[in-house]
Amino acid sequence: ETGVTQTPRHLVMGMTNKKSLKCEQHLGHNAMYWYKQSAKKPLELMFVYSLEERVENNSVPSRFSPECPNSSHLFLHLHTLQPEDSALYLCASSGQPDSPTGELFFGEGSRLTVL
Amino acid sequence: AQKVTQAQTEISVVEKEDVTLDCVYETRDTTYYLFWYKQPPSGELVFLIRRNSFDEQNEISGRYSWNFQKSTSSFNFTITASQVVDSAVYFCALSEAHTGGFKTIFGAGTRLFVKA
Repeated sequence: ETGVTQTPRHLVMGMTNKKSLKCEQHLGHNAMYWYKQSAKKPLELMFVYSLEERVENNSVPSRFSPECPNSSHLFLHLHTLQPEDSALYLCASSGQPDSPTGELFFGEGSRLTVL
Repeated sequence: AQKVTQAQTEISVVEKEDVTLDCVYETRDTTYYLFWYKQPPSGELVFLIRRNSFDEQNEISGRYSWNFQKSTSSFNFTITASQVVDSAVYFCALSEAHTGGFKTIFGAGTRLFVKA
């Protein structure tokens, strides 16, 4: 098993659909993150969970709803998205949620296209 | 406020050339950490190196080397004798001690093309 696994790798959805992105980490880490990567924009931190509690929410629209049922799994529920939400959504984990020294381990991302 | 600037959007080199990727950062903290990540076409960012603000020693790892200079707030990355497999997007990142690990800020990335 690779360290951080994301499914699906590609997703196309209409603006009225509801879908979910899934992330699973096999590294025994305590913190998990969602990042958004759009063309020609820096990586944007969306949500952070530490020990299954949300500790950061960077003013993300409510049409994105995260869920962290345990320290190994993280979901991003999507509903009534807009075309500008089309992007690569990256999940990451780290083993030191309270420390700024810990590097992030990323999945390969879920490429989302909203029609 | 913290900020990471990678002024080079794209760089194209021929195999075996040396290439330097620039990174300039801004922070008010005296304790902070700098990172470089590589994003190959497959998508996942791969951690390359971490440097803390108290350690200005340059580091070399194989064909990779990093030059950290606090006086110019720069943390540049050099690839010696580049290879086609080095083609990727490279991100410089910063985290500050007072915000913990939750707010790693990334630069916009530099896309490196290495041609055979």
